[in-house]
Amino acid sequence: AQSVSQHNHHVILSEAASLELGCNYSYGGTVNLFWYVQYPGQHLQLLLKYFSGDPLVKGIKGFEAEFIKSKFSFNLRKPSVQWSDTAEYFCAVRDTGRRALTFGSGTRLQVQP
Amino acid sequence: NAGVTQTPKFRVLKTGQSMTLLCAQDMNHEYMYWYRQDPGMGLRLIHYSVGEGTTAKGEVPDGYNVSRLKKQNFLLGLESAAPSQTSVYFCASSQGGGSYNEQFFGPGTRLTVL
Repeated sequence: AQSVSQHNHHVILSEAASLELGCNYSYGGTVNLFWYVQYPGQHLQLLLKYFSGDPLVKGIKGFEAEFIKSKFSFNLRKPSVQWSDTAEYFCAVRDTGRRALTFGSGTRLQVQP
Repeated sequence: NAGVTQTPKFRVLKTGQSMTLLCAQDMNHEYMYWYRQDPGMGLRLIHYSVGEGTTAKGEVPDGYNVSRLKKQNFLLGLESAAPSQTSVYFCASSQGGGSYNEQFFGPGTRLTVL
């Protein structure tokens, strides 16, 4: 069965610090990769997605992610975080044979002013 | 355009009680999904539907039933609630099941079973 690992469960950063959240998946075939964000009290929103092509994907709010196939990774990055980035971040994978997403356990990001 | 809505937002049940969670979408999406979110476990798929009148089991279907009588609605039922079903339930929808179809999520229902 497919699985997704997010290594950092809780990250605390100061404003303007750089962010990198790890995501690794287990499936060896063709996959589609996603990062979702859940702000406090809100529903999940799509940050960015990768289907094919350029492995460096840019999303909303200055986030980007890099797909490294050899490492089965899709890490999320942001050069300079803001207090408003405080949220929970979920990595998700869908292999092309399935209809639904497999989510990681999430990373709670807390940005201190 | 409300997107995906869920009713109710909060609910407390006693063990053994039953309830139905309602998900509605106004985007004319074919696919709908029910997930549960538990601390440290991310979201897990309970059931999904690829169209009106169809349903299929996901990763954790036991103890739940679903129905998709109308395209815009996807109901999740708990016949006899158990404390292990305490969770936050998210509904999602997408135009199709293919790779390029983004899933849109509802705001969630927080359910506590005592």
